[in-house]
Amino acid sequence: AQSVTQPDIHITVSEGASLELRCNYSYGATPYLFWYVQSPGQGLQLLLKYFSGDTLVQGIKGFEAEFKRSQSSFNLRKPSVHWSDAAEYFCAVVMTTDSWGKLQFGAGTQVVVTP
Amino acid sequence: DTAVSQTPKYLVTQMGNDKSIKCEQNLGHDTMYWYKQDSKKFLKIMFSYNNKELIINETVPNRFSPKSPDKAHLNLHINSLELGDSAVYFCASSLKTDTQYFGPGTRLTVL
Repeated sequence: AQSVTQPDIHITVSEGASLELRCNYSYGATPYLFWYVQSPGQGLQLLLKYFSGDTLVQGIKGFEAEFKRSQSSFNLRKPSVHWSDAAEYFCAVVMTTDSWGKLQFGAGTQVVVTP
Repeated sequence: DTAVSQTPKYLVTQMGNDKSIKCEQNLGHDTMYWYKQDSKKFLKIMFSYNNKELIINETVPNRFSPKSPDKAHLNLHINSLELGDSAVYFCASSLKTDTQYFGPGTRLTVL
């Protein structure tokens, strides 16, 4: 079955430390890939996306993600976390064969930043 | 200069009532969506409209009826509200299948 998996429900990281959030997908072909962030009580903000081309994608707020076709993964990274990065992070995909962009989300990873 | 806006931000109502949520986008997009985020923060698409035409209709009770009066607006009307309808509802918009931009959400609480 088609799915998006975020294996880590919850991650705690110290301010200034590096962060990596995992995302794996299970689809017949490579989908379009997205990472969104949801701060408490807020809507979803796009961090970055991958459609094609360079497999290392730069996003906003110092985030980057790497697409690895062999591992069906699209992991999100940040070298040095700030307290304001505490939020819920969602990986999402759209099938390239989908004419109408139905986003399918992972379950999310909650990131807690400690001083 | 809000891109995707929703009203109201909070909605508290009794079971059995009928309520509406409104969404407007000023991005010039042609496609709009409704998503539901449940208490475990899981997001699932409900509906999508392209140029006022319904194109995605997931398995949603027919108590939910979207309406798109024009490309910039997508409303969601819910009849006979139930406890299980309590959730955060997000509107989003995009140009065809390009990146979707989300509104701030409407938190619906059914008592």
